[in-house]
Amino acid sequence: GNSVTQMEGPVTLSEEAFLTINCTYTATGYPSLFWYVQYPGEGLQLLLKATKADDKGSNKGFEATYRKETTSFHLEKGSVQVSDSAVYFCAPLTGNQFYFGTGTSLTVIP
Amino acid sequence: DGGITQSPKYLFRKEGQNVTLSCEQNLNHDAMYWYRQDPGQGLRLIYYSQIVNDFQKGDIAEGYSVSREKKESFPLTVTSAQKNPTAFYLCASRLGTGYYEQYFGPGTRLTVT
Repeated sequence: GNSVTQMEGPVTLSEEAFLTINCTYTATGYPSLFWYVQYPGEGLQLLLKATKADDKGSNKGFEATYRKETTSFHLEKGSVQVSDSAVYFCAPLTGNQFYFGTGTSLTVIP
Repeated sequence: DGGITQSPKYLFRKEGQNVTLSCEQNLNHDAMYWYRQDPGQGLRLIYYSQIVNDFQKGDIAEGYSVSREKKESFPLTVTSAQKNPTAFYLCASRLGTGYYEQYFGPGTRLTVT
């Protein structure tokens, strides 16, 4: 079956710290991989995506590399800001269906 | 501006009543989706539609119904058969098949008492 496992939160970091949020997945076929971000009380927004092995998605200083051999898509940012405080979701896409992780809550403190 | 509209933002109903949540998109997207989000959980798929007049059940369709009479609109009805309807409901759309991303609406928070 299809599933995704995300690093459990909540995660609290100081401003300018390095961020890693782990994501591993199981999927039938060859999924595309996405990271979404959700701010309090809002819908989800696409953060980045990768569609094939070794692709690196990047946006707003966030990066994630499609690792087919380890079925992983870990999210990283070199220096987080207070404005990055949100919930982050990893989501493989197989067929026409997205499979969302449980989300990882990030709080960045000044 | 193109986007997805969900209304209302907050909705309150008494137990035993059906309620319909609105979702409209002007992105000219073929596919539309409904998700339910509960605290501490990921998004769970309720229904999705790839084209007008066609839709498929997701993982938790029991107690819900949908229609897709127009490309722009995909309303979700939460029926009295849904045992725990209080949740945050998110609508999304997507251009089509392939590796296109989903675009999400702002969500509707439904409270049933």
